Amino acid sequence: GENVEQHPSTLSVQEGDSAVIKCTYSDSASNYFPWYKQELGKRPQLIIDIRSNVGEKKDQRIAVTLNKTAKHFSLHITETQPEDSAVYFCAAFRSGAGSYQLTFGKGTKLSVIP
Amino acid sequence: DAGVIQSPRHEVTEMGQEVTLRCKPISGHDYLFWYRQTMMRGLELLIYFNNNVPIDDSGMPEDRFSAKMPNASFSTLKIQPSEPRDSAVYFCASSFPRTGQDGYTFGSGTRLTVV
Repeated sequence: GENVEQHPSTLSVQEGDSAVIKCTYSDSASNYFPWYKQELGKRPQLIIDIRSNVGEKKDQRIAVTLNKTAKHFSLHITETQPEDSAVYFCAAFRSGAGSYQLTFGKGTKLSVIP
Repeated sequence: DAGVIQSPRHEVTEMGQEVTLRCKPISGHDYLFWYRQTMMRGLELLIYFNNNVPIDDSGMPEDRFSAKMPNASFSTLKIQPSEPRDSAVYFCASSFPRTGQDGYTFGSGTRLTVV
C-alpha cells in the first residue's frame, strides 16, 4: 500500500517568515495530493490540492509543488501569520483497482511566533 | 449544506461498555470513511464505504470494532466491548469524486474517552 512520510514533525517560524513542509510518497500510481489544516480541537480542512499532471499550484499565500520523478511534494506558506498556527497533514490518493482512499502523513505542527 | 454531521461530540464510557458513534454524510456523497486520530498514530483509516457497501475494512483494529451503513445518509461505528486504548478522536468523512475533487470533507469528530 501507499506510505506517506512528512517532515518536519514540528516547525516554528517568526511571523512574516515562510514555512515549508515536505512529504514523500511511495506509490508512483498516486495522482492526487491534498493538504489539510487542522486547528486545535477542530476537524481537518482541505486548504489546497494538486494533481499529478501539474507541477505547482498557488492560492494567495499558500502554494504546493509536486515532483513526480522524486515522488515528493511540498507545502509553502509565505508571510506567515499567527492564524496559520495549526497541524498540517499531507496526503496521497490513488484510485482504481478496487481502491479509493487517501493515505495521510503524520502531520506537522506549525507554530507562528508573533 | 450542513456538512458531515457526527454525534456525539464527546463520549466518556467505562471499560467494557458498548459505544456507538454516528455519522451523517453530505447529501449526494457516495463515499464514506471512518478515521481514528491519536497523537501516536496520527490519522488511521478504519473502514470506508461506497454506495453503502463496505469496500475496505482492513484498518479495523479487531473484532471489537464494527461499522454499518444501512442507507446513504447514515453510518455507525460500534465498539463492543470498549477498552481504554480505544480512546481517540474518531472522524467521519465523505466525498463525491465525480465532482472532480477527490478530497474528503470531515465531520467535527467524536472524542471518545474510555476509563
